[in-house]
Amino acid sequence: KNEVEQSPQNLTAQEGEFITINCSYSVGISALHWLQQHPGGGIVSLFMLSSGKKKHGRLIATINIQEKHSSLHITASHPRDSAVYICAVSSDGGTSYGKLTFGQGTILTVHP
Amino acid sequence: DGGITQSPKYLFRKEGQNVTLSCEQNLNHDAMYWYRQDPGQGLRLIYYSQIVNDFQKGDIAEGYSVSREKKESFPLTVTSAQKNPTAFYLCASSKAPGETGNTIYFGEGSWLTVV
Repeated sequence: KNEVEQSPQNLTAQEGEFITINCSYSVGISALHWLQQHPGGGIVSLFMLSSGKKKHGRLIATINIQEKHSSLHITASHPRDSAVYICAVSSDGGTSYGKLTFGQGTILTVHP
Repeated sequence: DGGITQSPKYLFRKEGQNVTLSCEQNLNHDAMYWYRQDPGQGLRLIYYSQIVNDFQKGDIAEGYSVSREKKESFPLTVTSAQKNPTAFYLCASSKAPGETGNTIYFGEGSWLTVV
């Protein structure tokens, strides 16, 4: 079993729909990251969470440390949100932001 | 603008050859990382460096080597000992622990194909 599991693996939505991507992990963590990978391969960091909730524009990320679970929500989805969304956790006690264990990613396609 | 530059974007290698992927950052970050991505799999950490002249093995270091002679540069060599080198390689750098804001930055990646 992978240490970081994402669901669903593939997600198709119509423009305007509310989207949720889930991430469960099995190890103790110091932080959880949500990343966005575009078709060309480059990755952008969306959020880093250690507790609670963060919001940026139409994106909201939440984490429940006790349940070892995080969600990424996209409100009013748009075709430009189509990308791979990756959950990654840091479990090295906070000594390094980049020593990460990654989920397999969720492929999101938003149709106009 | 600050960022991470990886080169080349696409590289073809013959079996038995070593190749070196370049990664340069102008973000003044101490820490740099190399990851490998295979189709249908999550990224995996190859090597990382938290300071100049020091680096550590990640989860899949066999068949790879790195150097960190300058803060801004962290090249990755894929050696002939790497049994299955065809993959997408990503370089990243990060702020020091405790710094706020966007904490990790990625390059655009390099596609390596063995022919």
